[in-house]
Order: sequence, then C-alpha cells, then structure tokens
Amino acid sequence: ETGVTQTPRHLVMGMTNKKSLKCEQHLGHNAMYWYKQSAKKPLELMFVYSLEERVENNSVPSRFSPECPNSSHLFLHLHTLQPEDSALYLCASSQAPAGSLFGYTFGSGTRLTVV
Amino acid sequence: EDQVTQSPEALRLQEGESSSLNCSYTVSGLRGLFWYRQDPGKGPEFLFTLYSAGEEKEKERLKATLTKKESFLHITAPKPEDSATYLCAVQGYQGGSEKLVFGKGTKLTVNP
Repeated sequence: ETGVTQTPRHLVMGMTNKKSLKCEQHLGHNAMYWYKQSAKKPLELMFVYSLEERVENNSVPSRFSPECPNSSHLFLHLHTLQPEDSALYLCASSQAPAGSLFGYTFGSGTRLTVV
Repeated sequence: EDQVTQSPEALRLQEGESSSLNCSYTVSGLRGLFWYRQDPGKGPEFLFTLYSAGEEKEKERLKATLTKKESFLHITAPKPEDSATYLCAVQGYQGGSEKLVFGKGTKLTVNP
C-alpha cells in the first residue's frame, strides 16, 4: 500500500461509545496531523505530531485523545462524543519541518456520525 | 491570526469556459501558499505550493498565481472532470509551526 490509509471509512457511534480512528502512512514522513472537516467550515487542525511527539493541540476537547506510537501510525481515540462532533476526520502526513512546504498528503478520511 | 478567504463559494461553468478562483490571505510572514483539490468522499489532493509574490505554477489546465495579498487559480478550457472543491491554505512563520490554515473552498462544477 502507498500513501495515507485511514480506517474505518465510515463510523456510526452512540454518545456513550468508545471507538478509535486509525491512520497509517507509507511515505516515510515524520509528521502527522488530524484535521476535522465539517460542512461549510474550513478544515480545522486538531493535532500535530512531529517525530512522534505532539507539538500542537488546538484546544481540542478531551473527548478526543490522539496517540502516535511511531512515525507511521496515528490514532484518534473517541469517547462520550456529542452529535456536533459528526464530521469527516482527515489524517495527513508530511516530511517536517521544511518538507511540509511540499504539501501534506491526506488520507480519504473517516466519516463519523454520532447518534 | 492567519486567515484565508476563498471566493466564490461555488462556481458553475460550461465546458471550455475559462475562469478564476480567488484566495485572499493574511499571514504573519508567508512560508507557503497551497492549492488542493478535493473530490467528494476523498481527502484533499495536493496541487501547488507558491512561495513568493510573482510566482506562477501550471499543471494541465490549472495555473496558480500569487501576489502579496491573494492567489488565483486560473482554469483554462475546463472539462467536467475538473469538477471538485478547490481548497487554498497558507503556512506562516508561527514559531516554526507546521500547521496549514485552510479556506472554506470553492466548489467548481463544470457542465458538459
């Protein structure tokens, strides 16, 4: 496999459930990102990991918990979500630091619906 | 705070009808301005990076230009397969931050 792979593609969960989103990159990049994409809104940066260390947390509620066990894998753990958290969650990678100027590579996203 | 505004929000063109999309930005020191294409149900696909005013880049029917305040994505003789949402993003000098700030996008529809 090449590029950035996200699983699952679709997820429906209740507000009391716990689930995880997975992202895997096969590009040899060393920075990974979680973005949230809602209708009529710009992509919102949630978390940045560079060299497996979290370098940015954009005031994201604690019900979202990221994990980066190595430079190829990124997880987003979800618990007690709200309906307004329903969105497309995108993972991206780049070669930090200057390499991000060559553009991020995005996965296809996980479409999350909270019921 | 870095900001990106894209216009129009949506654009409908006939096949072969050339037009331009606009991206206005404010950033504290521009490291790069990015254009992405996003198809429904997919993640954004990288198109161009522009680094300084006056720079231009081309790819097939697309040409991106950059000034100190805005960028244009010119589409020449578009085809239906060019239909997508086009996203603009900027990266500024924010303590070495790697983050990109995105606009809301322009949804382009090209009718045959």
